[in-house]
Amino acid sequence: DIQLTQSPSSLSASVGDRVTITCRASQDTGDFLSWFQQKPGKAPKALMYGASNLQSGIPSRFSGSGSGTDFTLTISSLQPEDFATYYCLQYKSYPRTFGQGTKVEIK
Amino acid sequence: EVQLVESGGGLVQPGGSLRLSCAASGFAFHNTWMDWVRQAPGKGLEWVANIKKDGSEMYYVDSVKGRFTISRDNAKNTLFLQLNSLRTDDTAVYYCSATLDHWGQGTVVTVSS
Repeated sequence: DIQLTQSPSSLSASVGDRVTITCRASQDTGDFLSWFQQKPGKAPKALMYGASNLQSGIPSRFSGSGSGTDFTLTISSLQPEDFATYYCLQYKSYPRTFGQGTKVEIK
Repeated sequence: EVQLVESGGGLVQPGGSLRLSCAASGFAFHNTWMDWVRQAPGKGLEWVANIKKDGSEMYYVDSVKGRFTISRDNAKNTLFLQLNSLRTDDTAVYYCSATLDHWGQGTVVTVSS
C-alpha cells in the first residue's frame, strides 16, 4: 500500500497568511493525487485533482504542485472560511489511501 | 446539481449486518465510478471500496475484504454497501462519493453491544 504522510499535522495561522501543507508518498504516485478540505461535522470537499488542477468553483488562492512522491497544497492568503482540516489522497493504486490530515487553526 | 443521499446507518451489535444505500441524481450515474469512504469518530478519512461504472470491477481496503460488498443498480441510480460481520472498529460515518469529486452528507454506523 502507498502511505501518505502529511506535515505538519496541525498549524496555527492568521487571516492573510500564506500556508503550505506537504504530502509525501512512500512510492511514486505520478500526479495521481487529490486534496480535500473538511470542516467539523461536514463531508469532505474536493479542492484539487491531478496534483495541480483546481476543482470547479474552488478559489484561485488554492494551488497544488508536485509529482512522484512530494506534493504541496498552498493557500496564498488564508481566509476565515479556510480554517479546516486538509487531506491528500493518492489514486495511483489500490487501496486508495489518505494522508492523516492537517488541521489549520486560527492563531 | 449533483446530489448523493446516504441512508441505512444505525446501531448494530458486533457480528451484525447493515445495508447502506446512496441515492444519486444530477449526473450520469451509469457512467461514473463510485466510492465509499468512512471516518471513525475523531479520526481521519479511510477509503473503503469502489465500483466500476457497469459494476464489473470492485476494489476494497484489506480490513473489509470478505465482510463488505459494494454494488450498484444503474437503473435506479443507487449505490449500495452491504456490511456483514461488523466489528466495533467499523463504527464510523460512511460517505458515498462520485469519483471522489462529489460527496454525500454521510450516514452513521455504530457497532456496539
